[in-house]
Amino acid sequence: KQEVTQIPAALSVPEGENLVLNCSFTDSAIYNLQWFRQDPGKGLTSLLLIQSSQREQTSGRLNASLDKSSGRSTLYIAASQPGDSATYLCAAAMNTGFQKLVFGTGTRLLVSP
Amino acid sequence: DAGITQSPRYKITETGRQVTLMCHQTWSHSYMFWYRQDLGHGLRLIYYSAAADITDKGEVPDGYVVSRSKTENFPLTLESATRSQTSVYFCASSGLPTNEKLFFGSGTQLSVL
Repeated sequence: KQEVTQIPAALSVPEGENLVLNCSFTDSAIYNLQWFRQDPGKGLTSLLLIQSSQREQTSGRLNASLDKSSGRSTLYIAASQPGDSATYLCAAAMNTGFQKLVFGTGTRLLVSP
Repeated sequence: DAGITQSPRYKITETGRQVTLMCHQTWSHSYMFWYRQDLGHGLRLIYYSAAADITDKGEVPDGYVVSRSKTENFPLTLESATRSQTSVYFCASSGLPTNEKLFFGSGTQLSVL
């Protein structure tokens, strides 16, 4: 059974710092991996999707990498801003023919001005 | 407005009552999903649907019923609500089974007293 873990559970940084969020998964037979952002009281917004054949994806200040062999993905946020404060979740899509995602429990990020 | 909408936003009910949570999407996405989000468990898949009249169980389907008579609607019914079903429920949709990002609604916060 796939298990997805995110460490740390919470992270507090000053504005402008570059930071890395970690995601690990136990079963490397994934189809893709997505990173989501969740603001308090809101739904999830997909930030980046990395296919299993890819090593990384970039969108603006965000860069996500994927290493299937080691069961790890990282989300790199450059020059963090207070508006980046949110919970970040990763989710691994299993090879079931549809997007059966297994979610991590998230990293709660606080960026202070 | 285009997108995926859930109603109600908040719901309080009593043990044993039937409750229906609504989900509507305007993209004509084939795939729709219901997740519940609980502290310590992250998001868990309840049911999903690949198309109208095609539904299947997810990880935690017990106590829930779904239907999908139209592509754009995917209601979730708690037949006899229990306190353990107190949670935040998210509906999501995607166009393709594995290659597209997942889009989430804003959620329904359900309290069963």
